[in-house]
Amino acid sequence: DTAVSQTPKYLVTQMGNDKSIKCEQNLGHDTMYWYKQDSKKFLKIMFSYNNKELIINETVPNRFSPKSPDKAHLNLHINSLELGDSAVYFCASSQDNSYRAPKFFGPGTRLTVL
Amino acid sequence: AQSVTQLDSQVPVFEEAPVELRCNYSSSVSVYLFWYVQYPNQGLQLLLKYLSGSTLVKGINGFEAEFNKSQTSFHLRKPSVHISDTAEYFCAVIGAAGNKLTFGGGTRVLVKP
Repeated sequence: DTAVSQTPKYLVTQMGNDKSIKCEQNLGHDTMYWYKQDSKKFLKIMFSYNNKELIINETVPNRFSPKSPDKAHLNLHINSLELGDSAVYFCASSQDNSYRAPKFFGPGTRLTVL
Repeated sequence: AQSVTQLDSQVPVFEEAPVELRCNYSSSVSVYLFWYVQYPNQGLQLLLKYLSGSTLVKGINGFEAEFNKSQTSFHLRKPSVHISDTAEYFCAVIGAAGNKLTFGGGTRVLVKP
């Protein structure tokens, strides 16, 4: 009965590859997010969707493309991976967008680019 | 733009002792403030939030935080910790009219028996 789940938990890949991270929430929340956590543990927003519509798109390379097939899923696809993309990526959700802060996060996907 | 500073990267504390985690923010506008907890091998979850009204906010698991506008602080407290409170705690802030939540670097709480 996991609230926000992500797959895979670990992802090790070579530079230049394309990879995807999947996220699902079973809470019935309307808003989903992607955050990136750097090596110093700082979390930064990347994207936010509300009812499948993109509402926040921070300054991230266009190699990163979120896709929301329905409001329970928000996947992250990354093209042409670079060394600097190595980080922990967290998916999150909230009931609504009224104060733009997630309530629950997934367990994270640790991406290592070699 | 906002910023958040969590002054302590690690706080060791004995079981049943009180704990206070410090959080200071900078912002030129009204803010909303949040504390999140991340238990080992889990995602973060919202512990409590301040949006408006009473400056003393109570959250889950016996935690509370006090918003102090003059000192731009939002410190988190618990009067008596349990082993199960061992976790990473993150403070976060967003401008009331903004759209980007800014996180602090986290404070690791280690509760010792």
